[in-house]
Amino acid sequence: EDQVTQSPEALRLQEGESSSLNCSYTVSGLRGLFWYRQDPGKGPEFLFTLYSAGEEKEKERLKATLTKKESFLHITAPKPEDSATYLCAVMYSGGGADGLTFGKGTHLIIQP
Amino acid sequence: DAGITQSPRHKVTETGTPVTLRCHQTENHRYMYWYRQDPGHGLRLIHYSYGVKDTDKGEVSDGYSVSRSKTEDFLLTLESATSSQTSVYFCAISAGPPGTEAFFGQGTRLTVV
Repeated sequence: EDQVTQSPEALRLQEGESSSLNCSYTVSGLRGLFWYRQDPGKGPEFLFTLYSAGEEKEKERLKATLTKKESFLHITAPKPEDSATYLCAVMYSGGGADGLTFGKGTHLIIQP
Repeated sequence: DAGITQSPRHKVTETGTPVTLRCHQTENHRYMYWYRQDPGHGLRLIHYSYGVKDTDKGEVSDGYSVSRSKTEDFLLTLESATSSQTSVYFCAISAGPPGTEAFFGQGTRLTVV
């Protein structure tokens, strides 16, 4: 069973059409939930860290929220340059290693 | 890219040969990580380091070793490359402690033929 599940796997939107990406997790002892953006052929680019349920963070057209079992990345009025793969990752106690556990990502395409 | 340089950026090697990938940082961060990214699996942790000469295994460490003799350099060695190790390898750094965001390099695309 995957510890971090992202949905949908792929999403195609029209420019200006707002939507949300989901990241659900089954780990306990969450130390942090992270959102990254990855463009083709590049490394993941850090977006947000969330630490506790109820926390929200915003950056331009993106807003990340966290509950006890999932996080949402809300994209408001997206532009074509927002097209990328969005990755969610968690760090948790008892994971056996001090690294991030990633979901498989949501591939987002914004059409002009 | 938060002062992270991976080398080489691309490499093709033959099965059974040893390969070393290098990660160099200029941020003086304590934590360094090696991940691999494969279709259908996402990013998976291979090894990480929490200081000079202090390293530990991640989720997929079999067939890999690491060394960190200086704060700025973290080496990943494939002792005898296999086709299953064809992947894109990413180095990441973090100021720490665990729970602090990590910043990634541009990646090394390794093909084992």
